[in-house]
Amino acid sequence: AQSVTQLGSHVSVSEGALVLLRCNYSSSVPPYLFWYVQYPNQGLQLLLKYTSAATLVKGINGFEAEFKKSETSFHLTKPSAHMSDAAEYFCAVSDSGNTGKLIFGQGTTLQVKP
Amino acid sequence: DAGVTQSPTHLIKTRGQQVTLRCSPKSGHDTVSWYQQALGQGPQFIFQYYEEEERQRGNFPDRFSGHQFPNYSSELNVNALLLGDSALYLCASSLDSGPQETQYFGPGTRLLVL
Repeated sequence: AQSVTQLGSHVSVSEGALVLLRCNYSSSVPPYLFWYVQYPNQGLQLLLKYTSAATLVKGINGFEAEFKKSETSFHLTKPSAHMSDAAEYFCAVSDSGNTGKLIFGQGTTLQVKP
Repeated sequence: DAGVTQSPTHLIKTRGQQVTLRCSPKSGHDTVSWYQQALGQGPQFIFQYYEEEERQRGNFPDRFSGHQFPNYSSELNVNALLLGDSALYLCASSLDSGPQETQYFGPGTRLLVL
Protein backbone atom coordinates (compact mmCIF):
# COMPACT_ATOMS: atom_id res chain seq x y z
CA ALA A 1 0.00 0.00 0.00
CA GLN A 2 1.11 3.50 -0.73
CA SER A 3 2.07 5.90 2.03
CA VAL A 4 3.65 9.31 2.46
CA THR A 5 5.92 10.63 5.19
CA GLN A 6 6.61 14.32 5.60
CA LEU A 7 9.70 14.95 7.68
CA GLY A 8 9.27 17.92 9.98
CA SER A 9 5.85 19.06 11.08
CA HIS A 10 7.08 22.65 11.36
CA VAL A 11 9.67 24.46 9.27
CA SER A 12 10.72 28.05 9.91
CA VAL A 13 12.71 30.14 7.44
CA SER A 14 13.57 33.79 7.07
CA GLU A 15 12.10 35.81 4.25
CA GLY A 16 14.34 35.40 1.20
CA ALA A 17 15.82 32.11 2.39
CA LEU A 18 15.57 28.74 0.68
CA VAL A 19 12.47 26.69 1.43
CA LEU A 20 12.88 22.91 1.61
CA LEU A 21 9.96 20.70 2.61
CA ARG A 22 10.65 16.99 2.69
CA CYS A 23 8.43 14.17 1.44
CA ASN A 24 9.19 10.48 1.16
CA TYR A 25 6.79 8.00 -0.34
CA SER A 26 6.25 4.29 -0.38
CA SER A 27 4.74 2.71 -3.46
CA SER A 28 4.95 -0.66 -5.13
CA VAL A 29 4.25 0.87 -8.54
CA PRO A 30 5.49 4.04 -10.23
CA PRO A 31 3.78 6.76 -8.24
CA TYR A 32 1.88 9.88 -9.10
CA LEU A 33 2.83 12.53 -6.55
CA PHE A 34 1.29 15.84 -5.61
CA TRP A 35 2.02 18.85 -3.44
CA TYR A 36 -0.89 20.88 -2.14
CA VAL A 37 -0.91 24.07 -0.07
CA GLN A 38 -3.57 25.01 2.46
CA TYR A 39 -3.93 28.55 3.73
CA PRO A 40 -5.74 29.11 7.03
CA ASN A 41 -9.44 28.31 6.88
CA GLN A 42 -9.26 27.36 3.22
CA GLY A 43 -9.28 24.23 1.09
CA LEU A 44 -6.29 22.70 -0.67
CA GLN A 45 -4.68 24.26 -3.73
CA LEU A 46 -2.51 22.24 -6.08
CA LEU A 47 1.09 23.44 -6.27
CA LEU A 48 2.44 20.80 -8.64
CA LYS A 49 2.25 17.15 -9.59
CA TYR A 50 4.58 14.46 -10.87
CA THR A 51 3.24 12.10 -13.53
CA SER A 52 6.55 10.61 -14.80
CA ALA A 53 6.99 13.08 -17.68
CA ALA A 54 9.97 14.82 -16.06
CA THR A 55 11.75 14.35 -12.75
CA LEU A 56 11.95 18.09 -12.03
CA VAL A 57 8.48 19.54 -11.80
CA LYS A 58 7.78 23.26 -11.73
CA GLY A 59 4.67 24.53 -10.04
CA ILE A 60 2.94 27.73 -9.17
CA ASN A 61 4.34 30.57 -7.04
CA GLY A 62 7.96 29.63 -7.79
CA PHE A 63 7.84 26.19 -6.20
CA GLU A 64 9.40 23.11 -7.72
CA ALA A 65 9.94 19.49 -6.71
CA GLU A 66 12.33 16.80 -7.82
CA PHE A 67 11.33 13.15 -8.06
CA LYS A 68 14.16 10.86 -6.96
CA LYS A 69 13.27 7.22 -7.36
CA SER A 70 16.45 5.94 -5.70
CA GLU A 71 15.63 7.94 -2.57
CA THR A 72 11.84 7.54 -2.86
CA SER A 73 11.62 11.28 -2.31
CA PHE A 74 9.71 14.22 -3.75
CA HIS A 75 10.97 17.23 -1.82
CA LEU A 76 9.46 20.67 -2.42
CA THR A 77 11.73 23.70 -2.79
CA LYS A 78 11.57 27.42 -3.43
CA PRO A 79 14.72 29.50 -3.80
CA SER A 80 13.47 32.54 -1.91
CA ALA A 81 10.70 32.49 0.68
CA HIS A 82 8.04 35.18 0.74
CA MET A 83 5.84 36.07 3.67
CA SER A 84 2.82 34.94 1.67
CA ASP A 85 4.24 31.39 1.54
CA ALA A 86 3.35 30.83 5.19
CA ALA A 87 0.83 27.99 5.10
CA GLU A 88 0.36 24.24 5.58
CA TYR A 89 1.87 22.04 2.87
CA PHE A 90 0.75 18.51 2.09
CA CYS A 91 2.46 15.86 0.03
CA ALA A 92 0.22 13.17 -1.42
CA VAL A 93 0.54 10.01 -3.47
CA SER A 94 -2.22 8.79 -5.71
CA ASP A 95 -3.54 5.31 -5.12
CA SER A 96 -2.65 2.95 -7.94
CA GLY A 97 -6.24 1.81 -8.31
CA ASN A 98 -8.70 3.20 -10.79
CA THR A 99 -10.07 5.90 -8.50
CA GLY A 100 -6.83 7.70 -7.82
CA LYS A 101 -7.71 8.42 -4.22
CA LEU A 102 -5.10 10.62 -2.60
CA ILE A 103 -3.08 9.45 0.39
CA PHE A 104 -1.76 12.45 2.26
CA GLY A 105 1.12 13.02 4.59
CA GLN A 106 0.63 14.68 7.96
CA GLY A 107 1.53 18.08 6.60
CA THR A 108 4.28 20.62 7.25
CA THR A 109 3.57 24.08 8.58
CA LEU A 110 5.84 26.66 6.99
CA GLN A 111 6.57 29.78 9.01
CA VAL A 112 8.28 32.70 7.28
CA LYS A 113 10.00 35.22 9.52
CA PRO A 114 10.59 38.81 8.41
CA ASP B 1 -15.39 29.40 -14.27
CA ALA B 2 -16.56 28.49 -10.80
CA GLY B 3 -14.39 26.10 -8.91
CA VAL B 4 -15.58 23.50 -6.45
CA THR B 5 -18.17 24.90 -4.08
CA GLN B 6 -19.36 23.48 -0.78
CA SER B 7 -22.17 24.32 1.59
CA PRO B 8 -22.56 25.15 4.35
CA THR B 9 -19.21 26.64 5.35
CA HIS B 10 -19.70 25.94 9.03
CA LEU B 11 -22.04 23.70 10.98
CA ILE B 12 -22.60 22.94 14.65
CA LYS B 13 -24.42 19.76 15.65
CA THR B 14 -24.88 17.71 18.80
CA ARG B 15 -24.02 14.06 19.33
CA GLY B 16 -26.50 11.66 17.77
CA GLN B 17 -27.75 14.11 15.17
CA GLN B 18 -27.49 13.69 11.42
CA VAL B 19 -25.84 16.09 8.97
CA THR B 20 -25.81 16.59 5.20
CA LEU B 21 -23.00 18.38 3.41
CA ARG B 22 -23.19 19.48 -0.21
CA CYS B 23 -20.69 19.84 -3.02
CA SER B 24 -20.85 21.18 -6.56
CA PRO B 25 -17.91 20.09 -8.72
CA LYS B 26 -15.84 22.23 -11.02
CA SER B 27 -17.51 22.77 -14.37
CA GLY B 28 -16.99 19.77 -16.64
CA HIS B 29 -15.91 17.43 -13.85
CA ASP B 30 -17.82 14.20 -13.33
CA THR B 31 -15.97 12.63 -10.40
CA VAL B 32 -16.35 13.72 -6.79
CA SER B 33 -14.30 12.56 -3.81
CA TRP B 34 -14.84 13.36 -0.15
CA TYR B 35 -12.12 13.70 2.48
CA GLN B 36 -12.15 14.27 6.23
CA GLN B 37 -9.43 16.46 7.71
CA ALA B 38 -9.15 16.34 11.49
CA LEU B 39 -7.37 19.20 13.20
CA GLY B 40 -3.64 19.04 12.62
CA GLN B 41 -3.89 16.05 10.28
CA GLY B 42 -3.76 15.39 6.57
CA PRO B 43 -7.03 14.70 4.75
CA GLN B 44 -8.35 11.13 4.87
CA PHE B 45 -10.27 9.65 1.93
CA ILE B 46 -13.92 8.86 2.68
CA PHE B 47 -15.29 7.78 -0.70
CA GLN B 48 -15.52 8.66 -4.39
CA TYR B 49 -18.51 8.95 -6.69
CA TYR B 50 -18.55 8.56 -10.44
CA GLU B 51 -21.64 8.23 -12.63
CA GLU B 52 -23.80 8.28 -9.51
CA GLU B 53 -22.10 5.19 -8.10
CA GLU B 54 -19.73 4.85 -5.16
CA ARG B 55 -16.49 3.63 -6.74
CA GLN B 56 -14.27 3.26 -3.71
CA ARG B 57 -14.61 3.69 0.00
CA GLY B 58 -12.01 4.49 2.61
CA ASN B 59 -11.88 3.20 6.16
CA PHE B 60 -15.01 4.92 7.42
CA PRO B 61 -18.06 3.34 9.07
CA ASP B 62 -21.43 2.96 7.40
CA ARG B 63 -22.63 6.05 9.27
CA PHE B 64 -20.95 7.91 6.44
CA SER B 65 -22.92 7.71 3.22
CA GLY B 66 -23.13 9.71 0.06
CA HIS B 67 -24.92 10.38 -3.14
CA GLN B 68 -24.16 11.82 -6.53
CA PHE B 69 -26.84 13.46 -8.64
CA PRO B 70 -27.19 13.46 -12.44
CA ASN B 71 -25.65 16.95 -12.57
CA TYR B 72 -22.58 15.47 -10.78
CA SER B 73 -23.15 17.38 -7.56
CA SER B 74 -22.80 15.30 -4.43
CA GLU B 75 -23.89 15.01 -0.82
CA LEU B 76 -22.17 13.53 2.19
CA ASN B 77 -24.41 12.31 4.98
CA VAL B 78 -23.25 11.41 8.46
CA ASN B 79 -25.65 9.74 10.88
CA ALA B 80 -25.43 9.35 14.64
CA LEU B 81 -22.76 12.00 14.97
CA LEU B 82 -19.89 11.44 17.39
CA LEU B 83 -17.59 14.02 18.93
CA GLY B 84 -14.80 12.53 16.83
CA ASP B 85 -16.62 13.48 13.64
CA SER B 86 -15.66 17.10 14.26
CA ALA B 87 -13.43 17.99 11.31
CA LEU B 88 -13.10 19.89 8.06
CA TYR B 89 -14.87 17.98 5.30
CA LEU B 90 -13.37 18.55 1.88
CA CYS B 91 -14.89 17.80 -1.46
CA ALA B 92 -12.67 17.35 -4.51
CA SER B 93 -13.63 17.00 -8.13
CA SER B 94 -11.74 15.71 -11.15
CA LEU B 95 -12.29 15.38 -14.86
CA ASP B 96 -12.10 11.62 -14.57
CA SER B 97 -11.05 9.05 -12.06
CA GLY B 98 -7.57 7.63 -12.24
CA PRO B 99 -4.27 8.10 -10.43
CA GLN B 100 -2.93 10.75 -12.78
CA GLU B 101 -5.94 13.07 -12.56
CA THR B 102 -5.68 16.28 -10.59
CA GLN B 103 -8.26 16.65 -7.86
CA TYR B 104 -9.49 20.19 -7.25
CA PHE B 105 -10.62 20.92 -3.73
CA GLY B 106 -13.39 23.09 -2.41
CA PRO B 107 -13.05 25.35 0.64
CA GLY B 108 -14.54 22.71 2.92
CA THR B 109 -17.29 22.52 5.51
CA ARG B 110 -16.16 22.79 9.09
CA LEU B 111 -18.30 20.55 11.31
CA LEU B 112 -18.29 20.86 15.07
CA VAL B 113 -20.06 18.17 17.09
CA LEU B 114 -20.87 19.09 20.69
